[in-house]
Amino acid sequence: AQKVTQAQTEISVVEKEDVTLDCVYETRDTTYYLFWYKQPPSGELVFLIRRNSFDEQNEISGRYSWNFQKSTSSFNFTITASQVVDSAVYFCAGWGAQKLVFGQGTRLTINP
Amino acid sequence: AAGVIQSPRHLIKEKRETATLKCYPIPRHDTVYWYQQGPGQDPQFLISFYEKMQSDKGSIPDRFSAQQFSDYHSELNMSSLELGDSALYFCASSYLPRGSGNTIYFGEGSWLTVV
Repeated sequence: AQKVTQAQTEISVVEKEDVTLDCVYETRDTTYYLFWYKQPPSGELVFLIRRNSFDEQNEISGRYSWNFQKSTSSFNFTITASQVVDSAVYFCAGWGAQKLVFGQGTRLTINP
Repeated sequence: AAGVIQSPRHLIKEKRETATLKCYPIPRHDTVYWYQQGPGQDPQFLISFYEKMQSDKGSIPDRFSAQQFSDYHSELNMSSLELGDSALYFCASSYLPRGSGNTIYFGEGSWLTVV
């Protein structure tokens, strides 16, 4: 069975700081898929990114960037120049056994 | 672009009552998932359907049942409600050839409160 670990339960930073959210995925599968979702206070789950295990290229989308390292099974998420609107719970998730398994989530608070 | 539609958005029921949640997947998506998220918890997989057949089952109580209809919409039926069933229920959909990890899109969720 796969396991997703987000070691940081809560992070609080001041606006404009950079912040990195950690995620480690454990699985016996050689091919797997990892995701990040954002859950703002309103409750919906917003898809951010999907990454295949055979693609180790970093990805950047605006202020968001993701770093995947297969050797350490880590899929970290960095927000550059954070903004108050980035405040949310962020979930890392892994695809396995025909379903998505979530980590415990990291509550990110950006203070003005 | 069309998203996953869930109804109702909010629901208040009394203990031992029955509740039904509805989900309309993104057009042309063939797989529907149901997740339950308790307060301060991560979403937990309940059940999924692929091409209208039950695909996988997670930690879904026996009091709950679900199905996917010919138009691909799905319903989650919850009977003999308990206080612990109070949660945010998500429906999600994807176009999912078996074995692949295609992107799964979630609806806005249905908030169920059992009093």
